[in-house]
Amino acid sequence: GQQVMQIPQYQHVQEGEDFTTYCNSSTTLSNIQWYKQRPGGHPVFLIQLVKSGEVKKQKRLTFQFGEAKKNSSLHITATQTTDVGTYFCAGPKAGTASKLTFGTGTRLQVTL
Amino acid sequence: DGGITQSPKYLFRKEGQNVTLSCEQNLNHDAMYWYRQDPGQGLRLIYYSQIVNDFQKGDIAEGYSVSREKKESFPLTVTSAQKNPTAFYLCATQSPFYSTDTQYFGPGTRLTVL
Repeated sequence: GQQVMQIPQYQHVQEGEDFTTYCNSSTTLSNIQWYKQRPGGHPVFLIQLVKSGEVKKQKRLTFQFGEAKKNSSLHITATQTTDVGTYFCAGPKAGTASKLTFGTGTRLQVTL
Repeated sequence: DGGITQSPKYLFRKEGQNVTLSCEQNLNHDAMYWYRQDPGQGLRLIYYSQIVNDFQKGDIAEGYSVSREKKESFPLTVTSAQKNPTAFYLCATQSPFYSTDTQYFGPGTRLTVL
């Protein structure tokens, strides 16, 4: 079945350092979505990428969708303690637009 | 997340008891989903519903049951047949169903079976 893996599983950075998480799907995706889950909270939608090679920015966050539409990345420049949480990528299950397969998640810890 | 309520936030039950988790939405979204999240893990789909009176099994439906009698409500029952029910349960909505729109999550219910 379709699998969506993320690396690393966990990263601990000092405030001000950059952070990148990578998302890799076993199948081609029609789109990729990114969610953030704060500790103890629920996932919150960040962004959706649809086009091959697409790059989108949200302040210090940069999202990329690979040319083959099988991988994606999220890069955070100059992390802040507010960036703490788990970042999930998600893509539609193969053959359906109605269900999402969520990645395994990358947990980010930021310390002063 | 804004318009999706789950209750209670924390739930404790004895082993062997069935328990029903509530999910209500006022977003007028067609599709509703139940996910299970274990500590340090991703989200696994339990059940989903496209429209009222219709629902489909997800990847880990065994030991769970749902109903969709109203558009606004999608309760999940964790039965005694579920071997490891202790987890964080998240309800989500999506609209419209046949699209790649994002999913909106409720605050979740943490179920602990003693």
